[in-house]
Amino acid sequence: TQLLEQSPQFLSIQEGENLTVYCNSSSVFSSLQWYRQEPGEGPVLLVTVVTGGEVKKLKRLTFQFGDARKDSSLHITAAQPGDTGLYLCAGAGGTSYGKLTFGQGTILTVHP
Amino acid sequence: KAGVTQTPRYLIKTRGQQVTLSCSPISGHRSVSWYQQTPGQGLQFLFEYFSETQRNKGNFPGRFSGRQFSNSRSEMNVSTLELGDSALYLCASSLVGIGADLHFGNGTRLTVT
Repeated sequence: TQLLEQSPQFLSIQEGENLTVYCNSSSVFSSLQWYRQEPGEGPVLLVTVVTGGEVKKLKRLTFQFGDARKDSSLHITAAQPGDTGLYLCAGAGGTSYGKLTFGQGTILTVHP
Repeated sequence: KAGVTQTPRYLIKTRGQQVTLSCSPISGHRSVSWYQQTPGQGLQFLFEYFSETQRNKGNFPGRFSGRQFSNSRSEMNVSTLELGDSALYLCASSLVGIGADLHFGNGTRLTVT
C-alpha cells in the first residue's frame, strides 16, 4: 500500500508570513495533485504535477515535484486569511495504479 | 456548467440499516470516483467507475458497493451500517479518471447512530 505523509498537520501563522507544506512517500507516483478544502465543501484541485523536478506557480503558491517523483511541496508566499483551509496532497499511479492516495492533510489558519 | 451534485447533503441512519448516496457528475464526464473522509483516516479512495464499469477499488469491505448508470450518474450503497461508517462521503468526476483533473462534489455527511 502506498502512503503519503504530509507535514505539518497543523499550521497557524500571521498574515504576510511564508509557509511550506511537505508531502513525502517511499513510493513513486505518476502524478501528484494538491487540493484545498474548506469546511462544508469538497476539495478543489489546485495543481497537478507529473514530471520529476517540475515546478508550477499559481499566483503566490509554488508547487514542486521531487526529482524521483516520491515527494512534493507547496510553498505559499505572503499568506492571506483567504488561504485558510485544509490542504491535501494526492498521488496517482505507481504501484497503486488507478487509485488515488491522499495525505492526511494540513490545516492552515492564517490570522489577520 | 453545473458542478458535481451529491444528494442528500445529510443523512442519519441507525446501525444495521443500509443507505444509498447519489452523485451526478459534470456533463460529459465519464469517470466517477468515491471517497470516504473521516477525521482519523483522512480521505480514502473507495472505488471508481468509468462508462458503467468499476475500474478500480480501494480497501473497503464488500458492504460498500456502487454502480454507474448510462448517463454517468453514480450511486454508492453501504449495507449493514456500522458506527464507524459515519463520515463525509465525497464523489468526484473527471473526463478520463484518476490522475486527471478531479472535480469534487460537496459530499454527503452520513451519521450512523
